[in-house]
Amino acid sequence: AQSVTQPDIHITVSEGASLELRCNYSYGATPYLFWYVQSPGQGLQLLLKYFSGDTLVQGIKGFEAEFKRSQSSFNLRKPSVHWSDAAEYFCAVGATGGGNKLTFGTGTQLKVEL
Amino acid sequence: GAVVSQHPSRVICKSGTSVKIECRSLDFQATTMFWYRQFPKKSLMLMATSNEGSKATYEQGVEKDKFLINHASLTLSTLTVTSAHPEDSSFYICSASPWTSGSYEQYFGPGTRLTVT
Repeated sequence: AQSVTQPDIHITVSEGASLELRCNYSYGATPYLFWYVQSPGQGLQLLLKYFSGDTLVQGIKGFEAEFKRSQSSFNLRKPSVHWSDAAEYFCAVGATGGGNKLTFGTGTQLKVEL
Repeated sequence: GAVVSQHPSRVICKSGTSVKIECRSLDFQATTMFWYRQFPKKSLMLMATSNEGSKATYEQGVEKDKFLINHASLTLSTLTVTSAHPEDSSFYICSASPWTSGSYEQYFGPGTRLTVT
């Protein structure tokens, strides 16, 4: 079965600094990969997705992610973090068995220091 | 586009009562809807998948008689927590997809905070 690992539970960065959130997946075929962001007490907003093609994916709010098959990774990056980026970030993979189910990682809490 | 609403956003109920949460897709037809439960500082746990007009498919370990899901139309799904207990207190999130297969894109509602006293 598929799984997603986000090794960092918490990350703190200074405003203006670069950011990389790690995501590793386990999946037997070419995965469908997603990054979502969740603000406190809110639902999830899609930042970006990878289905196929170019392995560097651009998303909203200046985020990008790179699919690396050899490393089974799909890390999220942003060159310059803004205080409003403080939130919980979830990586997800499309689940086997169809039905459009997603398997989520445990999330990374991002704190931005001013 | 692709907006999903949930109602109520917060609800407090007494132990033993039932509470219904609505999930609506506002600008698209949701062939499939999903219900998740999120514990504090934890990931989302999929509870069930529902397709319009058919019975929901529950994930292993989720009590179908306790968490009743109805997907009566292409824009509305409801989750009813029956005979609620304090351990049912949680953040419940729904999502909706206009596809039944071939795409994993889901659009999420803002969530419902349930507190059982």
